[in-house]
Amino acid sequence: SQQGEEDPQALSIQEGENATMNCSYKTSINNLQWYRQNSGRGLVHLILIRSNEREKHSGRLRVTLDTSKKSSSLLITASRAADTASYFCATDAGGNNRLAFGKGNQVVVIP
Amino acid sequence: GAGVSQTPSNKVTEKGKYVELRCDPISGHTALYWYRQSLGQGPEFLIYFQGTGAADDSGLPNDRFFAVRPEGSVSTLKIQRTERGDSAVYLCASSRGTPDGYTFGSGTRLTVV
Repeated sequence: SQQGEEDPQALSIQEGENATMNCSYKTSINNLQWYRQNSGRGLVHLILIRSNEREKHSGRLRVTLDTSKKSSSLLITASRAADTASYFCATDAGGNNRLAFGKGNQVVVIP
Repeated sequence: GAGVSQTPSNKVTEKGKYVELRCDPISGHTALYWYRQSLGQGPEFLIYFQGTGAADDSGLPNDRFFAVRPEGSVSTLKIQRTERGDSAVYLCASSRGTPDGYTFGSGTRLTVV
């Protein structure tokens, strides 16, 4: 079953603006990951945040995790047209390092 | 190889036919996963291999679906008596088996007509 639920589902922004998307989950996790997908094909791993971490940065990406609220956010700063993609959060709640993905956020960055 | 390779990239088959989808993981990655993604949805787990054995096949939708990984490297997902509802992108991923992120292949887009 799908564990993560992203919100909002679709986001359209101007190049240079920041994009923020949220994800909520239902059960305890060891880590939460964010992936990007272009054109409905392979997913690219962006960042992993462990349950004992609250915030993590990677380049223009900032991820937060609030285990008390069972939610995470992904912030993309100074967006570029190349950031146009679908973004998925995934949790390891399924066990066996198996990931449960949300439905994804479509982000369109307008040049 | 440098990444996870999936073949074919696209497959069109007639309803009722048998198909095989291949996944070649990153060398040395012991864990291999198959996911299925329908349009507008996130990937859904199908099966997980640790080495040669299927450690978790609870995501396979029914007995028409089967996967093997005989030598602990390449894996084949097999679908018998295909149905139109099987149309989706089938994604393979591999990892070292740690909580680190997966590396996904580009997927096989299966269309059953």
